[in-house]
This record gives sequence, C-alpha cells and structure tokens, in this order.
Amino acid sequence: GAVVSQHPSRVICKSGTSVKIECRSLDFQATTMFWYRQFPKKSLMLMATSNEGSKATYEQGVEKDKFLINHASLTLSTLTVTSAHPEDSSFYICSSQRGEPAVRETQYFGPGTRLLVL
Amino acid sequence: AQKVTQAQTEISVVEKEDVTLDCVYETRDTTYYLFWYKQPPSGELVFLIRRNSFDEQNEISGRYSWNFQKSTSSFNFTITASQVVDSAVYFCALRYQGGKLIFGQGTELSVKP
Repeated sequence: GAVVSQHPSRVICKSGTSVKIECRSLDFQATTMFWYRQFPKKSLMLMATSNEGSKATYEQGVEKDKFLINHASLTLSTLTVTSAHPEDSSFYICSSQRGEPAVRETQYFGPGTRLLVL
Repeated sequence: AQKVTQAQTEISVVEKEDVTLDCVYETRDTTYYLFWYKQPPSGELVFLIRRNSFDEQNEISGRYSWNFQKSTSSFNFTITASQVVDSAVYFCALRYQGGKLIFGQGTELSVKP
C-alpha cells in the first residue's frame, strides 16, 4: 500500500491565489520530509527539506516566501504556493524517510500533485 | 561534485526483449547509496532498489537485475523479457553524505506489444 499520500492530486487555480498541498507519511513517523518539483520530461529537483518542529531548509534559488513549508507533525508536511503564477505550474512531489537525514535511509515518494495556474 | 548521468533519454523495445538502462555516477564520498526508481505515467515514483557503496554484489529480483561496478562508477539496471507494464521513466539516484538525493535525468522506456 501507499507509504506517502498527497492531497490534492490535481489543482487548477487562478493567477494570484495561494495553493496548499498536503503530504502525509502513512506508514511511519517522518522526522524529515522533502519537496521536489518536476517539469515535463525532466528530472526531479529538490526544493526544500522539511524538518518537524523547525524551519525548512531551502535549496539555492528556491524562494522561501513563495513556497512556504510547514512540518507541524511527524506525519504531515504542507507546501503552500503563495500568489501562484503560470510559471509555478508543475508537478510537485513530496517524500518522507524514517529517522534523521541519513545517507542510508530510503525516501518514499508520494503520488504527486499537478498544479496548473491559469 | 555529485552527479548522476543517464545517457539514454529514450529506449524503445518490443515485448520480451531484454533491455539495460545505464547509470553512471560521480562522487568523492566513500560512503554513498545508489537507488533506482520507476515513474509510471501516473507520476508516482516507485522504489525499486537501494545499494550501498560497500556492497558490489549484483542483485536479481524476478525479471529485474542490477549490476554495480565501482571501478566504472556504474549502476546499470536490466529488465529481462520486458513487458508492456514496464513502460515508464526510470530514475537512477545517488545519495551521499550530504544527505541529498541526486537524480539522473531519467530514461523513458517504451515497451511495445
């Protein structure tokens, strides 16, 4: 069964609105969750690392105020795309792992959320 | 710098053919992990295998097999007797001591009946 869920699976919104995407770790408590972005026919690009109870760590070039991440519990992380614009349209995928950020841990991915900003 | 290269952008085979997906990686770390994920048209990444840098033993799981060779920094993936359901994008990934998962560009495999 699914280890990680995401909601919604698809969302269409008007330019200027904010969209919240939820990522839930179903099988285990996840101290760390990750948010990725994937453009069509492209690879996954890490946007940020979400740590429960602390601020997220953003990758270079990712706007913190644009992509708000909250990791309020060990099973839920949310990504809010604020004031969305058409260029934010993409496939957003989250992942979770057991334990601390450790090189040996396997990341399990959610089904992704397709965002279309009109 | 850490890098994963999947030189094959697209591969098309006919059902029952064997196919090998190449993956070459770069890292200076001595401890690292390599992964393969499958992304079907639905979009969800499915974990296939994890291999640590100290274990060069090849692995076979059903029709899937993996060949890890540190001497050439490669971690290739072979599907034997391919099936239409194998059609997907396959990603090779590297995780090093910095903790981040670095993905290759992906190989789109199309298996035709």
